[in-house]
Order: sequence, then structure tokens, then C-alpha cells
Amino acid sequence: DAGVIQSPRHEVTEMGQEVTLRCKPISGHDYLFWYRQTMMRGLELLIYFNNNVPIDDSGMPEDRFSAKMPNASFSTLKIQPSEPRDSAVYFCASSLDGAIPREQYFGPGTRLTVT
Amino acid sequence: GDSVTQMEGPVTLSEEAFLTINCTYTATGYPSLFWYVQYPGEGLQLLLKATKADDKGSNKGFEATYRKETTSFHLEKGSVQVSDSAVYFCALRKANDYKLSFGAGTTVTVRA
Repeated sequence: DAGVIQSPRHEVTEMGQEVTLRCKPISGHDYLFWYRQTMMRGLELLIYFNNNVPIDDSGMPEDRFSAKMPNASFSTLKIQPSEPRDSAVYFCASSLDGAIPREQYFGPGTRLTVT
Repeated sequence: GDSVTQMEGPVTLSEEAFLTINCTYTATGYPSLFWYVQYPGEGLQLLLKATKADDKGSNKGFEATYRKETTSFHLEKGSVQVSDSAVYFCALRKANDYKLSFGAGTTVTVRA
């Protein structure tokens, strides 16, 4: 299996622009997680989905952030408008229900820089 | 709430030295415990795990034992290599939950 795929790997954008990050989970996995990693706050869970349905979005920082999962093989995280404080590495992870202890497999991340 | 506390880094060692990274947790019930490793420029990879008290997780020469009495899950390796240079994260997951709570991460650098 190719593992969790994220694109782009690097994104540089100007403040105010819309940014869309993409994730393809491992085939057959039914949980998908979006994390943000910064030096100041470490790894934070933003949102997670089960069978394409958002289950917990309490970690989404504000309304500028939105996430969708239109099908089992694709998810997006959108920031509109972007701000410099959104600069971080964003990770997507997927997991298979029923597997104990439900290991999460992480993608390589998208490094976002907002200038 | 649930939380994980790791020893602060960075940690710098010579090859073949002994490595310990302390991890303690706060959680109700009986969480599962994990160590993840992040190599430069990559995502996190599961290194080892333990699901109940006294379980020992091991992989690639690393070990950690789930100690409920001290709420700890310290990571150890007897002889590190340069290739072990990475950031190590301790994490917990409560029973019947899918969310992981991560520690702040400990950067380890091994010098030849």
C-alpha cells in the first residue's frame, strides 16, 4: 500500500489567500484525522471523520478552517482567508476501525507558510 | 483532561550510548499508550505500543513498559545509532476513543 498521501508537500501563500490541503487515506481505512504541528503548540488534533462523517471538530481553530470528506478516499482541509499564524505542518492520518489498538498511520505532512 | 508529559529536549548522545526519554500521563481509566517517532521531513510513525498495565512494547531495540502505579511509559534503548536521530512523541488514547493525545515531543540527536 502507498500509505497516506498528502498534497502538496509544501505550500507558500500570501496572507488572505485561500489554501486547500489534500489527503488520500489508506484504502479501507474508515477513520481520518487532521493534525497541525507547530513549535509553540506541538501536535494538535483539528478534526476527525468516521465513514466520511465529521465526528469531532472541536480542535478547528476558527471559522476560517473547514474540512470535508466527500468520499472514502479523499479529504480536504481549507483555510480561507489564510493568516501568517496558520503557518505550520499539517498532517493527515488514517485508521481502521476494529483494529486494536487502532493505530493511526500518518502522511508525510504539508508544510504551509503564509507570508 | 487527559494529558501526556515528556521530558524536555533536546537530547544529544554519542553512538552506543543509553537513551531514556521519560513520559508520564494523566488519564482516567485504562488508556493505551504509544511512542511515535518522526524522522526529519517525514510524518509520524508508530514505534511501539502497550494496551494494559505491565505490557512491554518493543521495536527496533526500543522498549517501554506501561506502569500504571507510576502512570509512566518511559522509552529506552540500550545502544543508540546515528539513524535514531529523530523526534519522539509519547501519546495516549482512552479506551473506546479514537483521539490521540500527544506529548510535546523530544528531539534526540545521536552523534557518531
